[in-house]
Amino acid sequence: DAGVTQTPRHEVAEKGQTIILKCEPVSGHNDLFWYRQTKIQGLELLSYFRSKSLMEDGGAFKDRFKAEMLNSSFSTLKIQPTEPKDSAVYLCASSSQGSNTEVFFGKGTRLTVV
Amino acid sequence: AQSVDQPDAHVTLSEGASLELRCSYSYSAAPYLFWYVQYPGQSLQFLLKYITGDTVVKGTKGFEAEFRKSNSSFNLKKSPAHWSDSAKYFCALVRGGSNYKLTFGKGTLLTVTP
Repeated sequence: DAGVTQTPRHEVAEKGQTIILKCEPVSGHNDLFWYRQTKIQGLELLSYFRSKSLMEDGGAFKDRFKAEMLNSSFSTLKIQPTEPKDSAVYLCASSSQGSNTEVFFGKGTRLTVV
Repeated sequence: AQSVDQPDAHVTLSEGASLELRCSYSYSAAPYLFWYVQYPGQSLQFLLKYITGDTVVKGTKGFEAEFRKSNSSFNLKKSPAHWSDSAKYFCALVRGGSNYKLTFGKGTLLTVTP
């Protein structure tokens, strides 16, 4: 059974570019999350979808970050325009519906903005 | 709003010793609590969870955690520790209800020396 798949694994962007990160959740999972991981801030929620509907987005990230769930098996995170402070690991995760269920994480995309 | 605090950024101990990683939370109602582990170069993996019932829960890899409502804590324990336990450990909270997002602590980096 495939886990959460994220592509690309690494991305280098120049400041001001638009980048799109991709995520395929575990088949059958209803909830999808995008997190950003940095050493200083830790894990921050960017967006949360349930059955393709946006449940929550991280207030601080509304400006240049836009996540979409195009269908139940594919999501994208667009950062436009990128800034050097966006350099981080972006994690996608999914779970079946239920607050007591395990969340499965992808391997992440490491973004470097120069 | 809910929050999770992991007061120890880094813990070092010798192989064979007992480990206890601290986690406290702030939430007005009964939370669902989780521990995740991140090995170097890898993504987050589920260890264990507390939903309700027995306050001591057992998880994978020989770990257990104790929920203490009296002091809002959910500490992770293992004895004895092994060098392969060296990793970053994250405590997380889910509010329950209809919102299943994980709110994470900043993590504790555990180093077990052989």
